[in-house]
Amino acid sequence: KAGVTQTPRYLIKTRGQQVTLSCSPISGHRSVSWYQQTPGQGLQFLFEYFSETQRNKGNFPGRFSGRQFSNSRSEMNVSTLELGDSALYLCASSQGNNEQFFGPGTRLTVL
Amino acid sequence: GEDVEQSLFLSVREGDSSVINCTYTDSSSTYLYWYKQEPGAGLQLLTYIFSNMDMKQDQRLTVLLNKKDKHLSLRIADTQTGDSAIYFCAEIPGGYQKVTFGTGTKLQVIP
Repeated sequence: KAGVTQTPRYLIKTRGQQVTLSCSPISGHRSVSWYQQTPGQGLQFLFEYFSETQRNKGNFPGRFSGRQFSNSRSEMNVSTLELGDSALYLCASSQGNNEQFFGPGTRLTVL
Repeated sequence: GEDVEQSLFLSVREGDSSVINCTYTDSSSTYLYWYKQEPGAGLQLLTYIFSNMDMKQDQRLTVLLNKKDKHLSLRIADTQTGDSAIYFCAEIPGGYQKVTFGTGTKLQVIP
């Protein structure tokens, strides 16, 4: 089975722009979670989707949003980018049994 | 609350055993995990333990859980240079998919 894939792997944006990141889960996995990793804050949970519905949400502002499609692929969107949004964004997929498999991440740099 | 704490750094000689410690505070956690992150990469699930277990062994890895003290440890036997990475413990409280990660312990293996 192919693992979790994330695109793009690297991204450079400027303040005020918006960005969309994509995650394709392992085939058969219906749950997709997103995390932000920064040196200062560590790994923080953004949100989790299951069968196209957001089930859990972390403590991030409304600029961070996501969605999941019927094929379980998920996208994450960040609007009005700030310098502090520079981070590694990780996606994880699961069958719903609490065992999560992570993708390689998208490295976002905001200038 | 959901705080997971780890020491930041551990240095060991090749061939020795490494012990990475973690404390958590959410007593409702049913699953506790250890992940490995190598530079520039995503997270790799190493092993996990159910909260009703005390110990789990998987090749060179031994996980010990002291539920009374909310203490989790990962022992790596015969540590190799390829084990150099950041190790995260993580918990999932109450069956939700929202994973709370520790701060991460950077393991340095000296040849």
